[in-house]
Amino acid sequence: DQQVKQNSPSLSVQEGRISILNCDYTNSMFDYFLWYKKYPAEGPTFLISISSIKDKNEDGRFTVFLNKSAKHLSLHIVPSQPGDSAVYFCAASEGGSQGNLIFGKGTKLSVKP
Amino acid sequence: GAVVSQHPSRVICKSGTSVKIECRSLDFQATTMFWYRQFPKQSLMLMATSNEGSKATYEQGVEKDKFLINHASLTLSTLTVTSAHPEDSSFYICSARDGRAGDSEQFFGPGTRLTVL
Repeated sequence: DQQVKQNSPSLSVQEGRISILNCDYTNSMFDYFLWYKKYPAEGPTFLISISSIKDKNEDGRFTVFLNKSAKHLSLHIVPSQPGDSAVYFCAASEGGSQGNLIFGKGTKLSVKP
Repeated sequence: GAVVSQHPSRVICKSGTSVKIECRSLDFQATTMFWYRQFPKQSLMLMATSNEGSKATYEQGVEKDKFLINHASLTLSTLTVTSAHPEDSSFYICSARDGRAGDSEQFFGPGTRLTVL
């Protein structure tokens, strides 16, 4: 039973537009959420995180929104750039940033010039 | 960010042989290292967590006698796949964290592609 779900395996967006990647979770004990970006044959690289005490965190073009009541988070990338094309993984943990990470299956983002 | 390396990046071996994968933290001391496995189009599945100088903690369903993990120093952890079989073919990724540094994130290595013939 997947505790972290990314229901869209892929997303295609035009350069300059907004990319919205979604993630749902089932475990109400999760209190820390992260987004990672991954290129083929490489390890994930950290993008942005959010603690459950917040509902929004912003870093440059990347914003993560957390809706605890819906157990849903999303990553907004604006404006999208071709270099953003990669697989994006949502991850969650109990015990804050020190907890073990549970990953979703990822969403492949393609940003077209 | 901190750098984690893995070696080798790619390995092909015959069924029945053992393969060792190294994970190194290059510019920080990793009190905790994690080993993940990723199948195509699947999520990263945590296999085990190891703290320096202690035995690894394996996730449910992961055979500890098949996937031997050693974390003998603060900069090196090894994963040995013993008597590898074709179903062990996968992408193995390690990550490392300095647990002494408060809110410390995990830094991931580049991964190792294992193919068992």
